Amino acid sequence: QLQLQESGPGLVKPSETLSLTCTVSGGSISSSSYYWGWIRQPPGKGLEWIGSIYYSGSTYYNPSLKSRVTISVDTSKNQFSLKLSSVTAADTAVYYCARHWYIVGALSVGWFDPWGQGTLVTVSS
Amino acid sequence: QSVLTQPPSVSGAPGQRVTISCTGSSSNIGAGYDVHWYQQLPGTAPKLLIYGNSNRPSGVPDRFSGSKSGTSASLAITGLQAEDEADYYCQSYDSSLSGDNYVFGTGTKVTVL
Repeated sequence: QLQLQESGPGLVKPSETLSLTCTVSGGSISSSSYYWGWIRQPPGKGLEWIGSIYYSGSTYYNPSLKSRVTISVDTSKNQFSLKLSSVTAADTAVYYCARHWYIVGALSVGWFDPWGQGTLVTVSS
Repeated sequence: QSVLTQPPSVSGAPGQRVTISCTGSSSNIGAGYDVHWYQQLPGTAPKLLIYGNSNRPSGVPDRFSGSKSGTSASLAITGLQAEDEADYYCQSYDSSLSGDNYVFGTGTKVTVL
């Protein structure tokens, strides 16, 4: 059974870079059938897709966050990571990683399952 | 800010049927992109409920069903149970001048009376 686990600092200062890692267990991140994604949820609010990565390193990002986001993959560790730069209080959220299902040739047909348990990141001085 | 609009809340008595709407536009649902649904129990991560408009993953009860028409989609829960009390989100794909993006609905809280 595939499981995902987020890890990283729970507190980040304004203007600094948020860094999180997602460790995948029970399956290989190098599978050609999936992308791997990050989604966030501000406290009491809805969900926002941040971006996704393929095991080869191919990425695509939410246009509204693209200038600040970098997602990378380490297949040797079965992990993928998120970096979000120049954070503000508006970036305070629970950050989830998830397996991103897609249809070959139709990236628009994509959904997320399963999800990690999430990790709360607070941006504050 | 979300491009997919859901009612903030719906409620029903145990055993009843409730529906949750997800209204989009010509750049997402109306463009033919699939809709997926998630259930988020209090304090937990979202769980996939429906994918590809109407398909249930293994383990999801057949009390949950999804449909899509035009620029909207719907999630129906029949035989409502106390354990169904949760937040529900729709998700689709949006392609507009500002870029391509996976988008989520505003979320709907289901209350079992």
